[in-house]
Formats: sequence, C-alpha cells, structure tokens
Amino acid sequence: EIVLTQSPGTLSLSPGERATLSCRASQRISSIYLAWYQQKPGQAPRLLIYEADTRASGIPDRFSGSGSGTDFTLTISRLEPEDCAVYYCQQYGSSPLYTFGQGTKLEIK
Amino acid sequence: EVQLVQSGAEVKKPGESLRISCKGSGYIFSKYWISWVRQTPGKGLEWMGRIDPSDSYANYSPSFQGHVTISVDRSISTVYLQWSSLEASDTAIFYCATHYLLRGVFDYWGQGTLVTVS
Repeated sequence: EIVLTQSPGTLSLSPGERATLSCRASQRISSIYLAWYQQKPGQAPRLLIYEADTRASGIPDRFSGSGSGTDFTLTISRLEPEDCAVYYCQQYGSSPLYTFGQGTKLEIK
Repeated sequence: EVQLVQSGAEVKKPGESLRISCKGSGYIFSKYWISWVRQTPGKGLEWMGRIDPSDSYANYSPSFQGHVTISVDRSISTVYLQWSSLEASDTAIFYCATHYLLRGVFDYWGQGTLVTVS
C-alpha cells in the first residue's frame, strides 16, 4: 500500500501570505494519479488539483500544484480567509485503488 | 449540474443491518463509477470501494472487503452501501463520490451521511 504523508500537520498564516503544503509518497507514483482536495468544516471534500498540477473547474489560480515521483506540493498564494480548511492529497492506482494523506490543517490568523 | 444526494443520518445498534443511499442526477448515471469514502477523526479519509453502474461490478479496498456491500439500482440512478451487522467502529461519515472527469479522482461528492452505531 502506498502511504501518503502530509506536512506540516497544521499551518497558521496570515491573509496575503503564501502557503506551501507537502505530500510525500512512500513509493514513486505517476503524477497523473496525484490529486488535492479542500475540506471545510461540515462539508464534503472538494477537488482542487488533479494530475498533480491541473486545477479543477472553478478553482482560483491562487491554487497551484507541482511535483513528481514521491514529492508533491500544493501552493496557495495570497491567502484569503476562506482558504481556512483541511487539505488532503490522494493517489490512485495502487491497491487499495485510492489512498489519502492524513491532511494538513490551514489556519488563517 | 452533476449532483449526488445521500440519505439522512442514521443511529443504529451493534449487530443491526443498514443500507444508505446515494442518488445521482445531472449526468448519464450509468457511465461513471461511484465510490464510497469513509471519514473518521482517527483514520481520516479512506476509500471503501467503487461500483461501475453500467454492469454493477464492484471492487473493494482490502480493509472493507467482506464487511460492506456496494450495489446499484440503475432504474432510479442510486448506489447503495450496506452492512449486514454493524459494529461500533463503523461510526463515521460516509461520502459517495463520482469519477466523472477521470477515474483517478473524486470530482463530485455527496453531502455525506453520518452513521452512529451505539
């Protein structure tokens, strides 16, 4: 099973700052099978990024993804208060078919 | 607009059976897989299994194989997740989600169903 480890566990930043969230895989994965989600309290997760660097429909260009191999990054430039959420990475392809990271909680000061 | 609407919260006792549902609309239901994802405070998000509505073929995560069953009723565009004997450890929020854009991602999600077993 591929394990995805996200860091940091919690990130506390101010509006306008840049957030860098990391997702490390226990084995090499193809970039086309790495996605990022945002989950706000009481809501279902929302797809942000797929194929490591492609924004989903309606996602602002403040959100960007990058990485390859075992190291992937979600960057949120110019933080806004509504970006307060938990962010998850997810991989597809290895048994079990889909696994998620444990999440990074982003707090906006 | 693609929408997944799930059935309401449930409170059950250990040993009881349960079936929760997920109704799709706004797209060709039989064309896209639907998965179930469990969320707990301790283990986060876990993929349970998925079903292809076109042929009812389902496959499961090893962690959930044999404990749950995923099924579909194409006539009413609805996918089900069921347990024959609940355990307290089944307490969680359960989400259904489509693989509409790509099979590798969960692009549309239901609102979640809270199941409490106590």
